[in-house]
Amino acid sequence: ETGVTQTPRHLVMGMTNKKSLKCEQHLGHNAMYWYKQSAKKPLELMFVYNFKEQTENNSVPSRFSPECPNSSHLFLHLHTLQPEDSALYLCASSQGPRAGGSYEQYFGPGTRLTVT
Amino acid sequence: QQQVKQSPQSLIVQKGGISIINCAYENTAFDYFPWYQQFPGKGPALLIAIRPDVSEKKEGRFTISFNKSAKQFSLHIMDSQPGDSATYFCAASKTIDGNNRKLIWGLGTSLAVNP
Repeated sequence: ETGVTQTPRHLVMGMTNKKSLKCEQHLGHNAMYWYKQSAKKPLELMFVYNFKEQTENNSVPSRFSPECPNSSHLFLHLHTLQPEDSALYLCASSQGPRAGGSYEQYFGPGTRLTVT
Repeated sequence: QQQVKQSPQSLIVQKGGISIINCAYENTAFDYFPWYQQFPGKGPALLIAIRPDVSEKKEGRFTISFNKSAKQFSLHIMDSQPGDSATYFCAASKTIDGNNRKLIWGLGTSLAVNP
């Protein structure tokens, strides 16, 4: 185990549904990330939070809404998704450069999302 | 435009052979080059990483070779084992402001080691 947990592991949702993905890290890190992993594409960084503040949003559609209530928890709220949003959504955490820590990111197992 | 180019896309190696995966980058601001290993159903996990001030780093059967002038780096897996079968990602990291860094990923290489 990497110390980063994600729930649910699998999610099937219709285009009109609202659901949330949850990530929790037990590593004492202060930076958290959401990535999208699709076949034959590089990992796409979606959002970055440092010390609970969103520091990066890579032109992600508004149907994806992140929330970081504290440094240990990260959510991704989903609504009115499209079939092309089907992918593996990965959460990661790191010590963060502001804390002078390492650059290494620790990943959770991901949530396999299927939009029907 | 792919900032980190990785090849090959897939690789089949016999048990005991050497697996070689190559990556190239353009931006000289990158200063940290990790390799991640991903098994099915798992997230990527850091395997080995190198900074540009050294030309080689070895950890067990895994070695990174780094050529700063050519802006290329490669992963060598010696004595490849079936348990090494996974997807391997190279990445490159740079500072984007005083407080944040960005990690740019290659497309990944699917490695299969035949017994």
